[in-house]
Amino acid sequence: DGGITQSPKYLFRKEGQNVTLSCEQNLNHDAMYWYRQDPGQGLRLIYYSQIVNDFQKGDIAEGYSVSREKKESFPLTVTSAQKNPTAFYLCASSSLPSYNEQFFGPGTRLTVL
Amino acid sequence: KQEVTQIPAALSVPEGENLVLNCSFTDSAIYNLQWFRQDPGKGLTSLLLIQSSQREQTSGRLNASLDKSSGRSTLYIAASQPGDSATYLCAVNMRFGAGTRLTVKP
Repeated sequence: DGGITQSPKYLFRKEGQNVTLSCEQNLNHDAMYWYRQDPGQGLRLIYYSQIVNDFQKGDIAEGYSVSREKKESFPLTVTSAQKNPTAFYLCASSSLPSYNEQFFGPGTRLTVL
Repeated sequence: KQEVTQIPAALSVPEGENLVLNCSFTDSAIYNLQWFRQDPGKGLTSLLLIQSSQREQTSGRLNASLDKSSGRSTLYIAASQPGDSATYLCAVNMRFGAGTRLTVKP
């Protein structure tokens, strides 16, 4: 089945630690995205990538980093510099151009203890 | 910077009622507008995508319209069912509204 997978579903982190969230897609999409969702709010764009080895900052990139070494994978690292990382993280993909229809994964809920 | 607003924030209707959800955006230079559904604790499910050159899109009981000049889109749900209960989000150029939480009462 084609789709987007995110792991883990739940993640707990101690303050001061870096954590990496996984996102994989088998839709053969060129573009991939990371969003953050806080309770009762819409999604905010963290980073997006339109091609392997290239990515652009979104509206809230501070404290986050990404890599795009393979077309299928777009991992997100939440660094210790992110002051309020507890949130629901959603990964999406689309064909190009980057404003095409987006498809989402099931999300990862990150909690900082 | 594109800003997207959705009104109302929450809506409760009896089963069978037709309803309209609203989405407004500040910059009319859009590529497309997408409507999503989100169930609690889940990812987003794409409902409808309207290209900037289109005025509306339909899928089953759902109809979405787009008026770029006024910066508005509506999502019309016909004959609502309890299974339609969810949060509905609209997105314009990778920017999202906060969503409308819909409850359909049996």
